[in-house]
Formats: sequence, structure tokens, C-alpha cells
Amino acid sequence: DSGVTQTPKHLITATGQRVTLRCSPRSGDLSVYWYQQSLDQGLQFLIQYYNGEERAKGNILERFSAQQFPDLHSELNLSSLELGDSALYFCASSVYGGELFFGEGSRLTVL
Amino acid sequence: SQQGEEDPQALSIQEGENATMNCSYKTSINNLQWYRQNSGRGLVHLILIRSNEREKHSGRLRVTLDTSKKSSSLLITASRAADTASYFCATDANSGAGSYQLTFGKGTKLSVIP
Repeated sequence: DSGVTQTPKHLITATGQRVTLRCSPRSGDLSVYWYQQSLDQGLQFLIQYYNGEERAKGNILERFSAQQFPDLHSELNLSSLELGDSALYFCASSVYGGELFFGEGSRLTVL
Repeated sequence: SQQGEEDPQALSIQEGENATMNCSYKTSINNLQWYRQNSGRGLVHLILIRSNEREKHSGRLRVTLDTSKKSSSLLITASRAADTASYFCATDANSGAGSYQLTFGKGTKLSVIP
């Protein structure tokens, strides 16, 4: 158990809809990272937050947004969903840099 | 975009044999890490090697780093069926001001046959 909790574990929705994925980092970790894993693109870095502030941005679509709250949990919002957004979405946390601790992921299926 | 590229993409060996996976990357790094992922599960950190280190051991794992060739290798000795998983290398891209981006390769899928 990495100590990182992600909900929901599975999500099935339709194209055009909006979903929110939630992540609770390990106790004491200030950084939260979001990754998308799909068969064709591999593991893609989306965004990093550190103590509530956005610090690094990767290949995150404009339809996607994230935030980190004062209690350090984070949410990833995916809107106007397309079939190609179907993927595993991982949250990871760390104190700062170094080793990342990953959650078990949220599997999103867009029909 | 992928910074690290693992080779081979897939590897199948018999239990008890050694498994070697390679990773090449493109730009300068501060450190390189290896992670393991069981099918459909979260990634688990295996080992971190800093740019000024050449070799590191952890149990049955041995990692080497050659910064002149921008490459790393992961050796798993005396493999077990439980080692069956995908293995990823990851490189960092510190761009300062508290940002930390770990970029992963596409992974090597290891199958250890009992």
C-alpha cells in the first residue's frame, strides 16, 4: 500500500460528459502529480502541484483541469470527454521530487 | 513526449535466469529511476540512481548509469515468476521554482516462466 488513495477505481461514462477524479496523497507529501496511461501513448505526465500551487504542466489538454486543495488532496477534472480519453489516470505524491508514490489509478472508460 | 526509451519492449525468460533491461534518454538528468508495474496496478518505485553514481544495488536488482552514453540498465538476478511485470525507467526534468517532472519511457514487459 503506497498510502496514496484514488477514487473512483472505475468509471464508465459517455462522450461529452464531465468527470472528477480524486486523489489523497500520502501523509506529509506536499507534491501531487497526475499521469495518464494509455496503450498507445504510454505514461504521460499531465500536471504537478506543490502545496496548493501548480508547478509543472505536461501534456494536459485544455479540456482537463486540476487543483490541489488546502488539505493537499487533489482533483482532476475531465470535461467534454472523447473516446480517446479512455485511459488509466494515476495520481502520485512525494515530499518534493525524488521517489514518487503512486495510487492504484482510476480507470476511465468513455463510451 | 517520452524522454526514456526502454529496450527490449518485451522479454521472456525462464525462472532462475537473469533479466536485463536497458533505457536510453536524450537530455541531461539529475537522477534516473526504475519503477515496476503489475498489470493494471499502480507503479512501484524500485531504485533511484543519481547522475554522479555509476552503479547501485538493491537486493536482486542492479542498476548502472552511463551519463556519457545517456543510458541505464536494470539487471534482475535469479528471476522469479513474481517478477513478471512491466518495468519503466524515468528521468527527471527539474526546471526550478519547485517544479518536478518525472518522464517515463514506454516500458519493458517482462514475463518469467516458471
